[in-house]
Amino acid sequence: EPEVTQTPSHQVTQMGQEVILRCVPISNHLYFYWYRQILGQKVEFLVSFYNNEISEKSEIFDDQFSVERPDGSNFTLKIRSTKLEDSAMYFCASSSTPNTEAFFGQGTRLTVV
Amino acid sequence: DAKTTQPPSMDCAEGRAANLPCNHSTISGNEYVYWYRQIHSQGPQYIIHGLKNNETNEMASLIITEDRKSSTLILPHATLRDTAVYYCIDRRSGTASKLTFGTGTRLQVTL
Repeated sequence: EPEVTQTPSHQVTQMGQEVILRCVPISNHLYFYWYRQILGQKVEFLVSFYNNEISEKSEIFDDQFSVERPDGSNFTLKIRSTKLEDSAMYFCASSSTPNTEAFFGQGTRLTVV
Repeated sequence: DAKTTQPPSMDCAEGRAANLPCNHSTISGNEYVYWYRQIHSQGPQYIIHGLKNNETNEMASLIITEDRKSSTLILPHATLRDTAVYYCIDRRSGTASKLTFGTGTRLQVTL
């Protein structure tokens, strides 16, 4: 069964460092998303991406965040200068059309120290 | 913020049907009802979605009332592996529409 894969599963970084979280969406999907979940809190939407453009972003997705689809298979989330409060599980998701279900990866646990 | 309301927790005996309710008091005509679940801190798992008709797949059934103000997710024969947090979400149709998660219902399936 096709699935969304995310790497790494866990990343520890020092405050102020840049991190790139990587995702390989399901191969024929065209719509991509990033969400995050701070420990014990709700899953929060960050950004959606289609046709090499951001479709929608939340207030959380400020200038420190960026997304890119550098090739035909990867979808990345970059955090330029990490803060302690960026520590969370980050989930990538993809869907084939805007009105079909989005499938989530297993997440990357980011720990900022 | 999430627009749906769900009970914070429910229990269900293994092998019995689990019926999880959701209120969609402000759902609009172009919004679908989606159900996801999250087991521990794993990625949310899609279960089922519908617009106004009842739906069934291999995982569950979805019952939507005629006025669409409430829905019920039915797991027909709950197992211990169905223990999870279940989320109902109103999702707008259109371009790359986001999912807005609430706090969900924590379903505990017991022996």
